[in-house]
Amino acid sequence: EDQVTQSPEALRLQEGESSSLNCSYTVSGLRGLFWYRQDPGKGPEFLFTLYSAGEEKEKERLKATLTKKESFLHITAPKPEDSATYLCAVPPEAGTALIFGKGTTLSVSS
Amino acid sequence: SQTIHQWPATLVQPVGSPLSLECTVEGTSNPNLYWYRQAAGRGLQLLFYSVGIGQISSEVPQNLSASRPQDRQFILSSKKLLLSDSGFYLCAWRVRREDTGELFFGEGSRLTVL
Repeated sequence: EDQVTQSPEALRLQEGESSSLNCSYTVSGLRGLFWYRQDPGKGPEFLFTLYSAGEEKEKERLKATLTKKESFLHITAPKPEDSATYLCAVPPEAGTALIFGKGTTLSVSS
Repeated sequence: SQTIHQWPATLVQPVGSPLSLECTVEGTSNPNLYWYRQAAGRGLQLLFYSVGIGQISSEVPQNLSASRPQDRQFILSSKKLLLSDSGFYLCAWRVRREDTGELFFGEGSRLTVL
């Protein structure tokens, strides 16, 4: 069964304290790995798509990387406004939707 | 630019009552449309998807149904709500010609069944 696992479930950081979120997946024949940000009570907001091992994407303080079996979302010098739940997702081997992990809830305090 | 609208944003319904959630997409044609449910601690669960008018695929056997009466309109319904139907319902779309690619989500509808 296609699976997406995210860790940790929750992460508390001080402002400026860099860290990484992990997303591991078991689907073979990866057709893309997607990162989203979700604020409380809102729909997920698309951040990045990665397609091949070694690929990296950056947006402000966020950088996403991809290996053959996992992806990392690196957060450099985070600010309180980076607090949110970060979701990763992959397409299944067959099908048109995305399979989501349960997310990592990031809290950044000043 | 493309936008997606969902309504109502919040609703509280008694057990056994009917449900209708609506989603419309603007600025694109022939999108793939999706309904997900997000429950606490369970992540996003795919409920239905549609690749065209009247074409609905169900992913999870349940008390819900979906319909696509127009190209850019997707409706989630129930005849009789259960307590377990409570959750955050999200509509999403994708460019139809792509088998994969990012999904774009609406703002969601929070359903509480009492």
